[in-house]
Amino acid sequence: EAGVAQSPRYKIIEKRQSVAFWCNPISGHATLYWYQQILGQGPKLLIQFQNNGVVDDSQLPKDRFSAERLKGVDSTLKIQPAKLEDSAVYLCASSLGRTGRVTEAFFGQGTRLTVV
Amino acid sequence: GENVEQHPSTLSVQEGDSAVIKCTYSDSASNYFPWYKQELGKRPQLIIDIRSNVGEKKDQRIAVTLNKTAKHFSLHITETQPEDSAVYFCAASMTGYALNFGKGTSLLVTP
Repeated sequence: EAGVAQSPRYKIIEKRQSVAFWCNPISGHATLYWYQQILGQGPKLLIQFQNNGVVDDSQLPKDRFSAERLKGVDSTLKIQPAKLEDSAVYLCASSLGRTGRVTEAFFGQGTRLTVV
Repeated sequence: GENVEQHPSTLSVQEGDSAVIKCTYSDSASNYFPWYKQELGKRPQLIIDIRSNVGEKKDQRIAVTLNKTAKHFSLHITETQPEDSAVYFCAASMTGYALNFGKGTSLLVTP
């Protein structure tokens, strides 16, 4: 079974520039998550999709971050404009999302973003 | 929202000893408690999970216990090996919602 695919693996940008990350979840997984992991901390949820609808984006800084999941499969996360404090690993995860049951979340390798 | 506290932040043990990591959660509606292992520069990977209808679960050298009344759960690793060295994260969630992670425990197993 193919895992969660993310690209790029690494990105270095200057502050105030924009950047986009891409995620392809495991085939058949209805739920997709974007997490931000700052060095030395646990992953923090940015947004959760169920198919192509948003379940939770309460911790997404909407003035600069946006995410979409067109057609309920791939997803992109964008930051515009980037700030120094956005330097982190951005992890995408997916799960089956069966109704009435929590299912295991599988993580991608992540995109390491450095803002200089 | 859910708040997950994890202790200790670092743990050093001798090979062959046991390691215990503890977490507490705040939302009594949480019903799923996984543990992830993350090696340096790699993705978090699930090592064991427990649901709220079970008090204990074991998989070879790894076990997890859950006390719903006290809202805490623990990871136990027995007969530790150097390859167990990694950062371990606990998490909590409820059906339909995302995982809320603790801040992680850096485990070092010395030969």
